[in-house]
This record gives sequence, C-alpha cells and structure tokens, in this order.
Amino acid sequence: DAKTTQPTSMDCAEGRAANLPCNHSTISGNEYVYWYRQIHSQGPQYIIHGLKNNETNEMASLIITEDRKSSTLILPHATLRDTAVYYCIVRVGSNTGKLIFGQGTTLQVKP
Amino acid sequence: EAGVAQSPRYKIIEKRQSVAFWCNPISGHATLYWYQQILGQGPKLLIQFQNNGVVDDSQLPKDRFSAERLKGVDSTLKIQPAKLEDSAVYLCASAHYTDTQYFGPGTRLTVL
Repeated sequence: DAKTTQPTSMDCAEGRAANLPCNHSTISGNEYVYWYRQIHSQGPQYIIHGLKNNETNEMASLIITEDRKSSTLILPHATLRDTAVYYCIVRVGSNTGKLIFGQGTTLQVKP
Repeated sequence: EAGVAQSPRYKIIEKRQSVAFWCNPISGHATLYWYQQILGQGPKLLIQFQNNGVVDDSQLPKDRFSAERLKGVDSTLKIQPAKLEDSAVYLCASAHYTDTQYFGPGTRLTVL
C-alpha cells in the first residue's frame, strides 16, 4: 500500500503558485519523498525528490517538514500545461528503488 | 539524451489472444521496471529487472504474464492469454540502479 495521503483534487489560478500537500506520517528515516506528475495520456514525469532538506529545481520546490511527516510541492507560477495528476511517493527501501503509487492529486489550472 | 522508448503505443486484441510489448530503456540504465496502470488508478509495479536478473516479480500474474530482459538492455512483456481485466496502460521505466526512475510513454492495451 502507498505510504502517502493526498487530496483527491485541487484547483489553481493560472500564474499563481500551486501548493500540493502530502502526508507521509509513517515514513522511515532513510526513505525519500518523490514527486511525479502525469499529464493525460503520457507516462509519469519526474519532478523532484528529497530526504530531509528542502529542494528546488527548475520545475518546482519541495518543502519537507522537520519531523518529515508531511511535505508540500510548490509550482511557483502555474500554467495551463501544469494541469495533471501529481503523485507523492515514499520510496520504499533504499536497495530497490521501488515506488508505490497512490491515487495522486488532480490539479486543474484555470485561466 | 533519448528517453525510454516503448512500442506499440496502442494495441487492441480480443480476449484469449496473446500480446507483447517492447521497451528500450535509457542508455546505461541497469534497472528496468514494468508497471500496469488501470484507468483512474496509479501505476502498479509488475516486475523489476537489474541488468538481466529479476529483482522483484511478486505482483506479476505469472499464470498469464511473462517478461524477459535477455541481454540486460531491451525488455519484452507478454500476456498470454489476455483477459478483459488486462485492459490498461503498460508503462516501462528505467533507472541507474536504484536512482530516479524515468518513464516511457506507455502502451495502451484494450482487450475486447
């Protein structure tokens, strides 16, 4: 079973920041948090991942709470092309790289 | 850098027929994964290879599904015979050992 809980859906206005929350209260000390997104009819696209520290790349920022029980993915300036299903995943076991996907959050960016 | 390639992109078959999907991972990636994604659900891991060996096939329905990666590069996933409930998107992903996985576009299978 997936180790994360996400809202089923969210809306965001174009040009605004999209903040997608994720709860992972049973995460272990060496387990990474990964974020992927899936645009309709495409394969999942890697966004970002982190262990303890906040991370930023050209696509997004990942904020992980100090107790590591939750995180937030931030898309700083959402566009219509960011409409997708966003998956927050706790990678199970550092030796396998195994990902267990949940249902994800459907983000709708509106003009 | 070329991404993960999959073919065909779409396949329609009748139940009880057989079907095969092909995946070419990113060059140099030792680990290859096959996932099944049923409409409205997240992808579910079917099998994981490292080079040409199986790491995890615990979720693969072995009575009808098989997969191979003979030379540690390309992989094929086969279903024989197909059932209606096999209708799904079959995704291939690759990674440098246990690092970040990168996914292909998937093959959409419809079983009639």
